[in-house]
Amino acid sequence: NAGVTQTPKFQVLKTGQSMTLQCAQDMNHNSMYWYRQDPGMGLRLIYYSASEGTTDKGEVPNGYNVSRLNKREFSLRLESAAPSQTSVYFCASSHRDWDSSYNSPLHFGNGTRLTVT
Amino acid sequence: GDSVTQMEGPVTLSEEAFLTINCTYTATGYPSLFWYVQYPGEGLQLLLKATKADDKGSNKGFEATYRKETTSFHLEKGSVQVSDSAVYFCALSYGNNRLAFGKGNQVVVIP
Repeated sequence: NAGVTQTPKFQVLKTGQSMTLQCAQDMNHNSMYWYRQDPGMGLRLIYYSASEGTTDKGEVPNGYNVSRLNKREFSLRLESAAPSQTSVYFCASSHRDWDSSYNSPLHFGNGTRLTVT
Repeated sequence: GDSVTQMEGPVTLSEEAFLTINCTYTATGYPSLFWYVQYPGEGLQLLLKATKADDKGSNKGFEATYRKETTSFHLEKGSVQVSDSAVYFCALSYGNNRLAFGKGNQVVVIP
């Protein structure tokens, strides 16, 4: 029962390099989210996908792009990494029942620790 | 916009002491409220939740009551253990089940 799986666990980039953070969930959830965690800032929402085929900006989207590849997978891309993007990145998923408006709590992966030098 | 404020600073206490972490919120409407816990090197795990006013969420000896009149959702545990050492986040939900988090409180329990 894997839940939410993120790869890689650690990554070091030089300024200007690009990379994609991968996220997959096996709970058949329809909503997925990317957050970043910085010391003293809590977690801030970067992008989310309320359902397969849709993506929307969150609180801090600048410098990032996302792709909802299918219902299971939601990737986060840094096109040109900057030191300000040094952070721990968390993917999360949840299920929304559109008929009843019920939302399950968010389930989180274990994070990707990214350092940009 | 909707937001959550947690008390400042880490919390250090002795085993079997009483724990309180304060959380207040600002929201339009009536959001669901959550406490998440993060152990070292791991992602966040749901600790408890409350979906409407006067609801009490509870789990693993932790409790929090949704207080609309004071816009608060304070976390309490009567007797902490060393294994409760972690970072605790208060959060509220808003459109499309997005979560707004507080800044978190590091809790250190000393044997």
